[in-house]
Amino acid sequence: GESVGLHLPTLSVQEGDNSIINCAYSNSASDYFIWYKQESGKGPQFIIDIRSNMDKRQGQRVTVLLNKTVKHLSLQIAATQPGDSAVYFCAETGGFKTIFGAGTRLFVKA
Amino acid sequence: DAGVIQSPRHEVTEMGQEVTLRCKPISGHDYLFWYRQTMMRGLELLIYFNNNVPIDDSGMPEDRFSAKMPNASFSTLKIQPSEPRDSAVYFCASSLGPGQGGYTFGSGTRLTVV
Repeated sequence: GESVGLHLPTLSVQEGDNSIINCAYSNSASDYFIWYKQESGKGPQFIIDIRSNMDKRQGQRVTVLLNKTVKHLSLQIAATQPGDSAVYFCAETGGFKTIFGAGTRLFVKA
Repeated sequence: DAGVIQSPRHEVTEMGQEVTLRCKPISGHDYLFWYRQTMMRGLELLIYFNNNVPIDDSGMPEDRFSAKMPNASFSTLKIQPSEPRDSAVYFCASSLGPGQGGYTFGSGTRLTVV
């Protein structure tokens, strides 16, 4: 029979271009947010985090933007490389509870 | 640091058999989490421990699932009896605590129940 599964949003970008991955979070009380990267056959890996008292944070080639007004989080990857191909998850934490998003699959075309 | 270590990496078992998954968290991390990942449901939290004590097991699907953490450096997730619908990748993760740098995940155990 037909299998039904999570339909992950997919983003396809050309190598060298910038990527923007978006995430809508659910809990207005969440005060800590993290982006994870999951490559095939591996566990999710921490990329960058941001607290609710900030609206932007930069790392190496990555920037996270937080808009609390509309409960939106984004991950920007500069000069995307083939090694960036993976599934990216946002996670929100409020108190002791962390909720992971469904993920976005990023394809990088050489 | 070797990170979070899980074993086995792959497990194939017959329906009805007992399965035990193992996890060694990062030393000094007070929180340990067991997650299950499937195409149907994504990442699901099964249970988490704080200082070896189970805090929230509301995600454990049913009584066939049990988890223990006898000490700070070891945890097990047991399924007895196993069923085909338990087939998934099971991840263990550890952390310092809420809001403190996120989770470090292990490489996962891919379980196939036939």
